[in-house]
Amino acid sequence: GENVEQHPSTLSVQEGDSAVIKCTYSDSASNYFPWYKQELGKRPQLIIDIRSNVGEKKDQRIAVTLNKTAKHFSLHITETQPEDSAVYFCAASKEGWGKLQFGAGTQVVVTP
Amino acid sequence: DAMVIQNPRYQVTQFGKPVTLSCSQTLNHNVMYWYQQKSSQAPKLLFHYYDKDFNNEADTPDNFQSRRPNTSFCFLDIRSPGLGDAAMYLCATSRNRGNEQYFGPGTRLTVT
Repeated sequence: GENVEQHPSTLSVQEGDSAVIKCTYSDSASNYFPWYKQELGKRPQLIIDIRSNVGEKKDQRIAVTLNKTAKHFSLHITETQPEDSAVYFCAASKEGWGKLQFGAGTQVVVTP
Repeated sequence: DAMVIQNPRYQVTQFGKPVTLSCSQTLNHNVMYWYQQKSSQAPKLLFHYYDKDFNNEADTPDNFQSRRPNTSFCFLDIRSPGLGDAAMYLCATSRNRGNEQYFGPGTRLTVT
């Protein structure tokens, strides 16, 4: 089955700096890669996703890149703000498959 | 405008006493999922329904059951809760398998 590894497990950044979280996946058939942000005690919220037919997607301060050959994808947050502090989960899935395989999560702390 | 609703938000049950958690959705999505999330861990898929078709994960204990009486509602039944079942239970929906999943706010289950 699919296995998703996520690094780092914790990330501390100064406000205004960039943050990068990396994930690798094992199943070359996976074609959908969402990123979720989860604040303490709240639901996971989809912040951005990418499908395997594109290599990069951007939404304001967040971007995701996908390298299908290497089977890895990354989340980039620029100009970080204290409200970006949360746990971020990457995940992988494939069309017709009812399962999101999550990475272990990255605790991001943005210090003012 | 709540799209995925879970009730109750907090549930306390006694060891061995059956408990039912509820999820409803206004999105008319075909797929509904139940996840278990323990502290500092990624959500773990228990099972999902694609329409009326039930799909159990191989490692989901028999203690966990689910019902989906119609498109809008899905229930999680825990027949004999143990202390290890204390967790956040998240319901999610998606239009089809492999599409974006939208999470409900979760039910925090405490077992005494």
